[in-house]
Amino acid sequence: EPEVTQTPSHQVTQMGQEVILRCVPISNHLYFYWYRQILGQKVEFLVSFYNNEISEKSEIFDDQFSVERPDGSNFTLKIRSTKLEDSAMYFCASSVTSGESPRRTTDTQYFGPGTRLTVL
Amino acid sequence: QKEVEQNSGPLSVPEGAIASLNCTYSDRGSQSFFWYRQYSGKSPELIMSIYSNGDKEDGRFTAQLNKASQYVSLLIRDSQPSDSATYLCAVTLSSGGYNKLIFGAGTRLAVHP
Repeated sequence: EPEVTQTPSHQVTQMGQEVILRCVPISNHLYFYWYRQILGQKVEFLVSFYNNEISEKSEIFDDQFSVERPDGSNFTLKIRSTKLEDSAMYFCASSVTSGESPRRTTDTQYFGPGTRLTVL
Repeated sequence: QKEVEQNSGPLSVPEGAIASLNCTYSDRGSQSFFWYRQYSGKSPELIMSIYSNGDKEDGRFTAQLNKASQYVSLLIRDSQPSDSATYLCAVTLSSGGYNKLIFGAGTRLAVHP
């Protein structure tokens, strides 16, 4: 069964450093997402991406963050100048579509195993 | 007002019993509803999606949606110790994009032998 994969599984970095988290979405999926989960807290939406551009982003996703699809398979999240509060699990997800018209229902999003980011 | 609310639990049920998990949401226009299971330190794993009022069954799981009451629930029949996990309810909002999942804080389920 196809799966979303993410690397690395654990990333430790110093405050102020840049990190790149990598994801390989399911091959026939067209929509890609990043979520994060701070320890003990809710899963929070960061950004959605379609057709090589951001389709939606949350308030969390400020200028410190960027996403990219550098080739036909990878989807990356870059965090510039990491802060202590960026420590969290980062989940990549993908879906075939974003939803159906006209009801505007949302297609199922499948999550990768996550990258645990620790900022020291 | 929280967008998606769940009882944090823990909900403790004996093996073989029915576990009932509840979720309420604030956006009356929400159209898509999901239940995910999350084991400690792992990623959310989809259990069920539901879009229309009523019940949807898949094996031991039944999702129930009542849009008038803004309520969605998950029933787990014949609960097993392996079902012990945190169950996350996720919905989409009617404004601000319909592909953004809003998660509740989750209900921790403990199934004891």
